[in-house]
Amino acid sequence: TQLLEQSPQFLSIQEGENLTVYCNSSSVFSSLQWYRQEPGEGPVLLVTVVTGGEVKKLKRLTFQFGDARKDSSLHITAAQPGDTGLYLCAADQTGANNLFFGTGTRLTVIP
Amino acid sequence: EAGVAQSPRYKIIEKRQSVAFWCNPISGHATLYWYQQILGQGPKLLIQFQNNGVVDDSQLPKDRFSAERLKGVDSTLKIQPAKLEDSAVYLCASSFVQSNSPLHFGNGTRLTVT
Repeated sequence: TQLLEQSPQFLSIQEGENLTVYCNSSSVFSSLQWYRQEPGEGPVLLVTVVTGGEVKKLKRLTFQFGDARKDSSLHITAAQPGDTGLYLCAADQTGANNLFFGTGTRLTVIP
Repeated sequence: EAGVAQSPRYKIIEKRQSVAFWCNPISGHATLYWYQQILGQGPKLLIQFQNNGVVDDSQLPKDRFSAERLKGVDSTLKIQPAKLEDSAVYLCASSFVQSNSPLHFGNGTRLTVT
């Protein structure tokens, strides 16, 4: 069974700070998705990265797919309380949209 | 567009009892998923359907869990008999068939087994 390790597991920061969370595996993936989940809700897609070395920006969020397509990072600039949530990376095991999820990073942004 | 609908929202049962969850996916999504999310962890795939056929059920505990999607639309997930360790949120998601299609999740059913 493939494994997606996310770090850190928990992160608590002050509003306005920057942060980076990581998603790592020993396996190569054709693509990787990032989701955010808020309490009592299902995960919501933030971005899909496909090409090794690809960088995508979504407002204050910057996503990078590693050159070898084994890892990814999410950087948030000037974090806001609305960024609080569980951040999950997910990868396709078989190419049939068969997604398995990482262990998650729980982010709390303190006003 | 209407999102993925799940019911019930919450369920409390005693161990060894049975329970069923229902999911209605987004119209036009051929692929449907059931995930189990234990508190503090990422979702774990239980079963993936494409239309009414099973794509992957390798992590479904088949001695107690069953799922069906008879007409290729709605789906039910059943646990019989439940164990304490089945306490979790059960998430249903749907997507288009193509690789890299985003998953759209319902808000889940929170199951507590006492």
